[in-house]
Amino acid sequence: GAGVSQSPSNKVTEKGKDVELRCDPISGHTALYWYRQSLGQGLEFLIYFQGNSAPDKSGLPSDRFSAERTGGSVSTLTIQRTQQEDSAVYLCASSLNRDGQPQHFGDGTRLSIL
Amino acid sequence: LAKTTQPISMDSYEGQEVNITCSHNNIATNDYITWYQQFPSQGPRFIIQGYKTKVTNEVASLFIPADRKSSTLSLPRVSLSDTAVYYCLVGAPFSGGYNKLIFGAGTRLAVHP
Repeated sequence: GAGVSQSPSNKVTEKGKDVELRCDPISGHTALYWYRQSLGQGLEFLIYFQGNSAPDKSGLPSDRFSAERTGGSVSTLTIQRTQQEDSAVYLCASSLNRDGQPQHFGDGTRLSIL
Repeated sequence: LAKTTQPISMDSYEGQEVNITCSHNNIATNDYITWYQQFPSQGPRFIIQGYKTKVTNEVASLFIPADRKSSTLSLPRVSLSDTAVYYCLVGAPFSGGYNKLIFGAGTRLAVHP
């Protein structure tokens, strides 16, 4: 079946530009997560959506980062005025709304800021 | 949130059994233990999950002692394709007010011919 889909797979942009990263979760998954992974590092939690509840934004590194989830499905992570330290792989995951249900990950968007 | 500790790296040879142990001393009653595998340029992939005792599936076994303060991922007869980073996670995303799982640095497993 269809897994988590992320687009674009690669994004190269100039410092100061805004970028939008898209995540299509698995159908029926009400929980959606965004993570960031720098080269050779573990995953850093960014933001979590659960149904219609207010998102947990506690992992967002600055106010340049924002995310929304429309209709409880597709999510967009936006980074404004990008900086070189924003270069990383941005991963999205989704899961069912039950403990014991694992997260399913997309293959990420590799963001490079020149 | 329960913090996990696992070895940074391990080396093995094809055909051997590999055991990766994860410590999670402050695991909570509602927490599950989940292991993921990640290859370069891919997202993490779910391997196995358990709550207590032993869980086995087609790719791995997970051993959890009675106190649940640690867990061991066992990979039988590894091959070169098992070279990857393995993450141990502990959490209960939808109970106890916790709503995310914490990924540590993982264990980088290298399988040699």
